[in-house]
Amino acid sequence: DQQVKQNSPSLSVQEGRISILNCDYTNSMFDYFLWYKKYPAEGPTFLISISSIKDKNEDGRFTVFLNKSAKHLSLHIVPSQPGDSAVYFCAASSGGGADGLTFGKGTHLIIQP
Amino acid sequence: DGGITQSPKYLFRKEGQNVTLSCEQNLNHDAMYWYRQDPGQGLRLIYYSQIVNDFQKGDIAEGYSVSREKKESFPLTVTSAQKNPTAFYLCASNHGSSYNEQFFGPGTRLTVL
Repeated sequence: DQQVKQNSPSLSVQEGRISILNCDYTNSMFDYFLWYKKYPAEGPTFLISISSIKDKNEDGRFTVFLNKSAKHLSLHIVPSQPGDSAVYFCAASSGGGADGLTFGKGTHLIIQP
Repeated sequence: DGGITQSPKYLFRKEGQNVTLSCEQNLNHDAMYWYRQDPGQGLRLIYYSQIVNDFQKGDIAEGYSVSREKKESFPLTVTSAQKNPTAFYLCASNHGSSYNEQFFGPGTRLTVL
């Protein structure tokens, strides 16, 4: 039973446009959500996080939105750059993450020139 | 340079042999984690440790063992009881308190022949 779902295995976006990556979760106990970027055969790199007391968090070109009633979060990247091409993982945890993270299967973002 | 190191990058073993994967961090983090990634899948939690000499099973602990004798080190042993050991193994760490992102090492690709 997948508790964190990323339903789009891949997404293609033109350079300079907005990239929107989506994530749904089923566990209502999740209270901390993170996005990671990953290249093949490398470890994930942390991008941005949000706790359940917020509905938005921004860091430069990256914004994460959380809709608790819909159990949905999204990552917006504006403007998209060629270096953003990678696999993006959504992760979630209860209790603030100290007991480990539950990951989605990832979305492969491809930025077209 | 502070960070997490995993060695070796690639590891080959014969079926039926135990193998130990190394993870070291010099970030002074209290908590350490082991995940495994299979092709097209997200990361899944194997074991985690929030403090020296203590560790907890994650979602897929069967066939694995760990130790945490030092704060800096959290080695993972893949035993012969693990039915599908070929995977990409990732180690992570954080301060252990709530609402802190995990930092990942570069990973070890284990192939069992």
